[in-house]
Amino acid sequence: DQQVKQNSPSLSVQEGRISILNCDYTNSMFDYFLWYKKYPAEGPTFLISISSIKDKNEDGRFTVFLNKSAKHLSLHIVPSQPGDSAVYFCAAGGLNAGGTSYGKLTFGQGTILTVHP
Amino acid sequence: AAGVIQSPRHLIKEKRETATLKCYPIPRHDTVYWYQQGPGQDPQFLISFYEKMQSDKGSIPDRFSAQQFSDYHSELNMSSLELGDSALYFCASSSGNYNSPLHFGNGTRLTVT
Repeated sequence: DQQVKQNSPSLSVQEGRISILNCDYTNSMFDYFLWYKKYPAEGPTFLISISSIKDKNEDGRFTVFLNKSAKHLSLHIVPSQPGDSAVYFCAAGGLNAGGTSYGKLTFGQGTILTVHP
Repeated sequence: AAGVIQSPRHLIKEKRETATLKCYPIPRHDTVYWYQQGPGQDPQFLISFYEKMQSDKGSIPDRFSAQQFSDYHSELNMSSLELGDSALYFCASSSGNYNSPLHFGNGTRLTVT
């Protein structure tokens, strides 16, 4: 049961244009969402996050939008740069069933972003 | 800035052997998480520790155990290794607070032959 889904395995964008990566989730208990970037042979690198009380969070070229009613979030990168080429993972978290632990993340399958010069 | 340190980076073991993976969190981070990423898979949560106590448990086989020590570093012990255990094992750390992002190490690539 994939609770966090990234339905696009890959995305190709021209340098300078906008990259939009999408993510859907099914578990309504998730209340904290993150995007990670991953290069080969490295661990995921934290990019940006958003809590469920917000619908938008911006950090430089990266903006994350959250639509709680649709259980959908997206990452916008503008302008896209060739160095942005990597695998992007969407992740979601919330309190555990006992309400005692926070931080366990459920990841999507990842989207390979390629930014062409 | 200091990051999460994992050792070793690569490990090759034979079936039925044991392996120990180590993780050193970012200074002042009190929470450690272990994830397993198989080929072509997304990272799967194994187990986490907060202040040296297990805080959450995911899909971790009974053959695996982990602990967090007084200096907050953590070790993942894997016994009776199987071919299917071949994967990237990531450790992450956080301050454990609400909305505190997890910061990942570069992982240990375990190959079981």
